[in-house]
Order: sequence, then structure tokens, then C-alpha cells
Amino acid sequence: AQSVTQLDSQVPVFEEAPVELRCNYSSSVSVYLFWYVQYPNQGLQLLLKYLSGSTLVKGINGFEAEFNKSQTSFHLRKPSVHISDTAEYFCAVGASGGSYIPTFGRGTSLIVHP
Amino acid sequence: EAQVTQNPRYLITVTGKKLTVTCSQNMNHEYMSWYRQDPGLGLRQIYYSMNVEVTDKGDVPEGYKVSRKEKRNFPLILESPSPNQTSLYFCASSTSAGLGILAQYFGPGTRLTVL
Repeated sequence: AQSVTQLDSQVPVFEEAPVELRCNYSSSVSVYLFWYVQYPNQGLQLLLKYLSGSTLVKGINGFEAEFNKSQTSFHLRKPSVHISDTAEYFCAVGASGGSYIPTFGRGTSLIVHP
Repeated sequence: EAQVTQNPRYLITVTGKKLTVTCSQNMNHEYMSWYRQDPGLGLRQIYYSMNVEVTDKGDVPEGYKVSRKEKRNFPLILESPSPNQTSLYFCASSTSAGLGILAQYFGPGTRLTVL
């Protein structure tokens, strides 16, 4: 079975500053990794995904993430955040060899201050 | 427009009064699932369905039922709701089995309060 840990429950940052949201996973088989974003009072939407190939993945709204197999991490980054990036961010992992049903982390609340 | 819809969006009820939260998707997706979201616990899967008439338990199925009689609909049933089922509920769907399951479309959520 796979598991995912989001190391920070809350990340405050000032507008136009860079940000990194951390995600580590555990799995005995190959994994597929995702970041979802949840804006206030909305459902989750897919931000980006890593299935195979290049370890640097670019998503919507200027976000990117890097798959690091040796460190079992998939951290999300943005070089310059906006107020509108304030949201809850979820990392998710799915594993090969089974049903692929993903496991979600507990979420990181990104709070962007003016 | 591709979407997952849930109804109702908000519901306040009392302990023991049966309720159903509906979920419908218009993308012809085989896979559908229900999650609950609680502060500090993230998303936990309640039930999922790989296709019509095929359902299975997720991580927290106690107190819930589901059915999948049609491909587009996946209602969540609480036969006898209790206060510990007060939560934010999300329905999600995705394309067929395999990697497609991983990129899910989510509904807007149903906020349920059980008094």
C-alpha cells in the first residue's frame, strides 16, 4: 500500500515570493504522483501529474513539481505567488500493479499575504 | 461542459433521518468515488465504483451505502446519520481503469451537518 505525507499543514507567504509545498510518499512499487488544488468553497481540480518521463512537471497557473525517486518526494513550487493562489493543496499518489486508486495527503493550506 | 454535479450542496439534518446525496457526471466515466473531507484529515475515500453494478469499500465505509445502477449516477446513502458523519463530501469520477483513475474530476462538494 502507498502513503503520502504533506509535511506542512499551513504555509504563509507574501505575494510575489517563491513557495514550495512539500510532499513525500511511500510505496514498494512504481508510483504516479499528483497535485490537486482546492479553492475556497470549491471542489478539487488537477494541478499537475507525473506518470512517467521527465521528472520536472509543469502544471496550470505557473506551478511545477519535481519527482525525486531517491528522496521519494514530489514537491510543488511556484517562483512568484499571487493572492489568488491562496487555497488548499493536496498531494496524491497512485501505485502501479493494483487498482491505481490514489491516496491523498492531508493537505497544505497556502496563505498568500499582500 | 464536462462536470460532476452534487445535490444538495448544503444539508442540515437530525440523527437517524435517512438521506441521499446525489452525484452525476456527464463524461461517460466508468470510475466514480465518494470522499469525505475533515479538518486535519484530508480526503478519505468512502466507497468507489469501477463500473455499473460494481462497487467496493474505501477507507471509511461504515455508516454509508452506495449504488451504481447507471453509469452517470453514484448516490451516497446514509441510512441512519450520526453527528460523526458531519463533514464535507465530494464525489469524483475519472476515465476507465488503469492510469486514467488517477486524474479525477471532482464535484463542488456537499456540506452535511447532522445534529
